[in-house]
Amino acid sequence: ILNVEQSPQSLHVQEGDSTNFTCSFPSSNFYALHWYRWETAKSPEALFVMTLNGDEKKKGRISATLNTKEGYSYLYIKGSQPEDSATYLCASVNQAGTALIFGKGTTLSVSS
Amino acid sequence: SQTIHQWPATLVQPVGSPLSLECTVEGTSNPNLYWYRQAAGRGLQLLFYSVGIGQISSEVPQNLSASRPQDRQFILSSKKLLLSDSGFYLCAWSRSGWGTEAFFGQGTRLTVV
Repeated sequence: ILNVEQSPQSLHVQEGDSTNFTCSFPSSNFYALHWYRWETAKSPEALFVMTLNGDEKKKGRISATLNTKEGYSYLYIKGSQPEDSATYLCASVNQAGTALIFGKGTTLSVSS
Repeated sequence: SQTIHQWPATLVQPVGSPLSLECTVEGTSNPNLYWYRQAAGRGLQLLFYSVGIGQISSEVPQNLSASRPQDRQFILSSKKLLLSDSGFYLCAWSRSGWGTEAFFGQGTRLTVV
């Protein structure tokens, strides 16, 4: 079973701080890397899907990078706001190319 | 537009009772379908996935089974629930291939007592 690791497990920052999380995954047989945001009482929602080494994607204050050769991705949040509080999940595709395997997530709490 | 429906939202069942959770997708055809579970203090664990009617793959051995009787219907079942089956169950779908995201249902909170 493909192993996806995320760090840190949880993070508490002040409003306005910038922060980043790490996702590591096996670099062999890479298909795609996904980032999701999961707010309490809601369904996970996709932030980014990246497939190419060196991909960089941005959505507002959130951005992500991908290194498929070394098997890691970073998610950055610039100027954190309380509404950014959520669990951020990354997921990579299994060796059969048929399913997303998730990490345990990084839970972000932003205080105002 | 595509939508995914999952029910019930919450469920409390006694140990040894059967289980049936249903998920349906609208607005697309031949989706990949998934059941995930989040147990207390753990991440999302893939339970089953299906790439077509009647095609079910299991990622982990467990007390659960899945079926896909129709193209856009995915059912998670158990004949006899265990306490360890408690958790939050999420159904999801994606288009074939992995260049696009997965879409999740609202989830079912299952408590086995």
